[in-house]
Amino acid sequence: DAGVTQSPTHLIKTRGQQVTLRCSPKSGHDTVSWYQQALGQGPQFIFQYYEEEERQRGNFPDRFSGHQFPNYSSELNVNALLLGDSALYLCASSGEFGYGYTFGSGTRLTVV
Amino acid sequence: DAKTTQPTSMDCAEGRAANLPCNHSTISGNEYVYWYRQIHSQGPQYIIHGLKNNETNEMASLIITEDRKSSTLILPHATLRDTAVYYCIVRVAIGQTGANNLFFGTGTRLTVIP
Repeated sequence: DAGVTQSPTHLIKTRGQQVTLRCSPKSGHDTVSWYQQALGQGPQFIFQYYEEEERQRGNFPDRFSGHQFPNYSSELNVNALLLGDSALYLCASSGEFGYGYTFGSGTRLTVV
Repeated sequence: DAKTTQPTSMDCAEGRAANLPCNHSTISGNEYVYWYRQIHSQGPQYIIHGLKNNETNEMASLIITEDRKSSTLILPHATLRDTAVYYCIVRVAIGQTGANNLFFGTGTRLTVIP
């Protein structure tokens, strides 16, 4: 049974560009949450998707957007990249009432 | 919006029990205490969770005080592979949608010493 899968594992982008990160949830999970983890910090909640809609959002600007597909997979899009967007981006999936919260290994984004 | 307080770092001798404390004095009656750990920038790994009773699984034990204002994660026989950052998290139910997200603090960096 595959866990949470994220792609790509590493990515280098130039300031001002746009990036799309992808996440496939664990089998049986219908909710996907995204987190940003800067070096030396704990993960910070970006937003959560359920039934193809954004259900809750953390304190992140509109440059951060997402999407959930009918198969529950999800994308995180970041526009107009800043150097400060360099971080490990984590995806977590969960089932009903948030049970079984499971993280992927993350995508390491470097903005130069 | 983390609602927990943990020591920044701790050391533990290999083979000994590691006891990681956490304060969550503002926890609500329906909020759970979760523990995760993160090894070298991998994704956080679930360890254990509890509401008010002590819990034990194959990885660890969770001791929650009677007033639920603090808890302790116990790794009974620490190994070098247990070196990681350990996060104590109070799970918040958001709005009426039943969303349950995890808000992380900075965690405790546990170093297991040979």
